[in-house]
Amino acid sequence: AQKITQTQPGMFVQEKEAVTLDCTYDTSDPSYGLFWYKQPSSGEMIFLIYQGSYDQQNATEGRYSLNFQKARKSANLVISASQLGDSAMYFCAMREGPLNTGNQFYFGTGTSLTVIP
Amino acid sequence: ETGVTQTPRHLVMGMTNKKSLKCEQHLGHNAMYWYKQSAKKPLELMFVYNFKEQTENNSVPSRFSPECPNSSHLFLHLHTLQPEDSALYLCASSQAGRGVQETQYFGPGTRLLVL
Repeated sequence: AQKITQTQPGMFVQEKEAVTLDCTYDTSDPSYGLFWYKQPSSGEMIFLIYQGSYDQQNATEGRYSLNFQKARKSANLVISASQLGDSAMYFCAMREGPLNTGNQFYFGTGTSLTVIP
Repeated sequence: ETGVTQTPRHLVMGMTNKKSLKCEQHLGHNAMYWYKQSAKKPLELMFVYNFKEQTENNSVPSRFSPECPNSSHLFLHLHTLQPEDSALYLCASSQAGRGVQETQYFGPGTRLLVL
């Protein structure tokens, strides 16, 4: 089974509007971390936001927030007040806890976001 | 320099060439990674080094040879590559031992084209 699923290959949003990028995950480990990265066309993967499985509150970083619904195993990224510079690929990733002895990050296949002026 | 740097940013090589990719991290981290990103495929983890020791090699062909001389530098030596090896190669680093919140920070990548 896929560890990380991103079902939206491409999304469009009007400038200054909010957009939600979906991410669901699969793990039986009670301890895990969820991450979102942004990859512009230049190629660099830029870390955006982190959510721990035991965190009581949803993570926020500036215009980015993570809508964490543990029971549904979803960790959607919300970008508020979209800007043209937000156009990029967005990847959801997960690191599992002590039950997983590897160093591996599990990445989704990404969502391409285009911000329309 | 800050963060994670990679050189060269672009590389074109023939199948008989030998070349090396270089990665340097300026974050004081102790773990480094090589990933391959092909079009329309998820990121593929290739190699992991913790404290300069290789801890993972995800069935990568021997034509890719990593080298980690110290915790700040990572190389990927390439020889007799195939056209299907054309991809974006990303280097990342992290501070191992932070459990599930261990975040990987990436370099800008090297776009490799094998002719």
